[in-house]
Amino acid sequence: DAKTTQPPSMDCAEGRAANLPCNHSTISGNEYVYWYRQIHSQGPQYIIHGLKNNETNEMASLIITEDRKSSTLILPHATLRDTAVYYCIALNNNNDMRFGAGTRLTVKP
Amino acid sequence: DAGVIQSPRHEVTEMGQEVTLRCKPISGHNSLFWYRQTMMRGLELLIYFNNNVPIDDSGMPEDRFSAKMPNASFSTLKIQPSEPRDSAVYFCASSGGLAGTSYNEQFFGPGTRLTVL
Repeated sequence: DAKTTQPPSMDCAEGRAANLPCNHSTISGNEYVYWYRQIHSQGPQYIIHGLKNNETNEMASLIITEDRKSSTLILPHATLRDTAVYYCIALNNNNDMRFGAGTRLTVKP
Repeated sequence: DAGVIQSPRHEVTEMGQEVTLRCKPISGHNSLFWYRQTMMRGLELLIYFNNNVPIDDSGMPEDRFSAKMPNASFSTLKIQPSEPRDSAVYFCASSGGLAGTSYNEQFFGPGTRLTVL
């Protein structure tokens, strides 16, 4: 599976959109981009995933560039409860999910 | 559904003792995963099962670690003998997606915090 690169930390003001970038320049054509988050002391939680097209669900939006070498997770109206570590994972059609260091997002009042 | 259930939530033991961690996956899920999380190494996949069969155990650190899944509703991760460097949070996760599909949402349990003195 392709390696992903994320900034180690980011801040966001409460109520504003949080845009979390991820680079996956070596991603192959059949690898999906998955996003999980881990709130302190809890297990990771699935957020969203996509292949080529942009995706949206009740939690977030995922924007994937046309060349698929990077993506952005958007939390449209961040709340204090969105403070967490966010993991971007490039995953083939298997179950071997490898978590990197992720981005620690802090939402500030 | 109660989600993925892990027990115990906390375990403190002495070096050399046997430790058994337990997991009950979400009913109907056919894949089960064991992860370990430490500050130094982050979140690591140890082993995963599909339909109760171990598929990839390359993440199991050494022979002291073993995992079993005797049926679709129960799995154990055993450490024997335990060492202080095994101290970590151990997560179990389950998934209903099959390899070869695009849907691979894993549902994680609350974890077991293991401390080996």
